[in-house]
Amino acid sequence: DIQMTQSPSSLSASVGDRVTITCRASQGISSYLNWYQQKQGKAPKLLISAASSLQSGVPSRFSGSGSGTDFTLTISSLQPDDFATYYCQQSYSSPLTFGGGTKVEI
Amino acid sequence: EVQLVESGGGLVQPGGSLRLSCAASGFTFTHYWMSWVRQAPGKGLEWVASIKEDGSETYYVDSVKGRFTISRDNGRNSLSLQMNSLRDEDTAMYFCARGGATGGRYAYWGQGTLVTVSS
Repeated sequence: DIQMTQSPSSLSASVGDRVTITCRASQGISSYLNWYQQKQGKAPKLLISAASSLQSGVPSRFSGSGSGTDFTLTISSLQPDDFATYYCQQSYSSPLTFGGGTKVEI
Repeated sequence: EVQLVESGGGLVQPGGSLRLSCAASGFTFTHYWMSWVRQAPGKGLEWVASIKEDGSETYYVDSVKGRFTISRDNGRNSLSLQMNSLRDEDTAMYFCARGGATGGRYAYWGQGTLVTVSS
C-alpha cells in the first residue's frame, strides 16, 4: 500500500497568513493526488484534484502543486472560513489512501 | 444537485451486524464507482470499500475483508455496506462517497452515519 505522510500535523496561523501543507507519498504517484478540506462535524470537501486542478467554486487562494512523491497545498491568504483539517489522498493505486491530516488552527 | 444520504447507523454489540445504506440522486448513478470511507472519533479518514459502476468489481481495506460486503442496486440508485462480526475498532462515522476508481477522486460525500460498536 502507498503511505501518505502529511506535515505538519497541525499548525497555528493568523488571518492573512500564507499557509503551506506538504504531503509525501511512499512511492511515485505521478499527479494522482487530491486535497480535501474537512470542517468539524462535516463531510470532507474536495478542493483540488490531480495535484493542481482547483475544483469549481473553490476560492483561488487555494493552490496545489507537485508530482511524483512530493506535493504541496498552499493557502495564499488565510481566511476565517479556512480553519479546518486538510487531507491529501492518492488515487494512483488501490487502496486509495489518505494522509493523516493537517489541522489549521487560529 | 448531487445528494448522497446515508442511513442505518447505530449502536451494536461486538460481533453483531449492521447494514448501511446510501441513497444517491442528482447524477447518473450507473456512471460512477461508489465507495465507503470511515472516520473513527478524533481520527483521520480511512477508505473502507469501493464498487465498480456495474458492481462487477469490489475492493476492501484489509481490516474489513471477509466481514464487510459492499453492494449496489443500480435500479434504485442505492449503495449498501453489510457489516458483520463488528469490532470495537469499527466504531466510526461512515461516509458514502462518489468515486473510488484509481485515477479518480471523491467528488461528493454524504453527511455520514455513525456506527458505534460497544457492549
